[in-house]
Amino acid sequence: EAGVTQSPTHLIKTRGQQATLRCSPISGHTSVYWYQQALGLGLQFLLWYDEGEERNRGNFPPRFSGRQFPNYSSELNVNALELEDSALYLCASSVIMTGNTEAFFGQGTRLTVV
Amino acid sequence: DAKTTQPPSMDCAEGRAANLPCNHSTISGNEYVYWYRQIHSQGPQYIIHGLKNNETNEMASLIITEDRKSSTLILPHATLRDTAVYYCIVRVHSGGSNYKLTFGKGTLLTVNP
Repeated sequence: EAGVTQSPTHLIKTRGQQATLRCSPISGHTSVYWYQQALGLGLQFLLWYDEGEERNRGNFPPRFSGRQFPNYSSELNVNALELEDSALYLCASSVIMTGNTEAFFGQGTRLTVV
Repeated sequence: DAKTTQPPSMDCAEGRAANLPCNHSTISGNEYVYWYRQIHSQGPQYIIHGLKNNETNEMASLIITEDRKSSTLILPHATLRDTAVYYCIVRVHSGGSNYKLTFGKGTLLTVNP
């Protein structure tokens, strides 16, 4: 069974540009979570989607946005990139919306803003 | 989510058991304890979770105290590949909008040869 897949693996953008990151959840999983991990820092929660709806959002500016498609894959968009947006962006998925269900992570997209 | 407290680092000899503690004194009755680990620059890996009973799987054992205010993750025979940052997280069981995992700083476990 394929795990959570993220693309691209690496992405280099210049300041002010837009970045689009993609996530395919494990088959059968309806929830997708996005996290940001800046170098040397912990994982910061960004967004949570379930059944196509945004369910929760972390403390990030509106230029961080996303969506979930009917096939449950998800996209994270970061507009007006800033140097401090350089980080590892991680996606996780879980099967149903409860607290008793483990979430599985992908290997991340490393975004570098120059 | 309840706050967790973990030691910033621990060492363990290869082949010995690694016991990683976690305090979650403000845990609520409907919150599960989860453990994840992150090997350098990779995505976090799920290890185990539990509510109040001890749990065991092929990777580890989770011991939760009777009052649920603390827990210990046990890696029975640590290997060099177990060197990672280990995160203890409490996660609400129900309540609609708060199923996200909130990561703290975790414990850097270094397994030495």
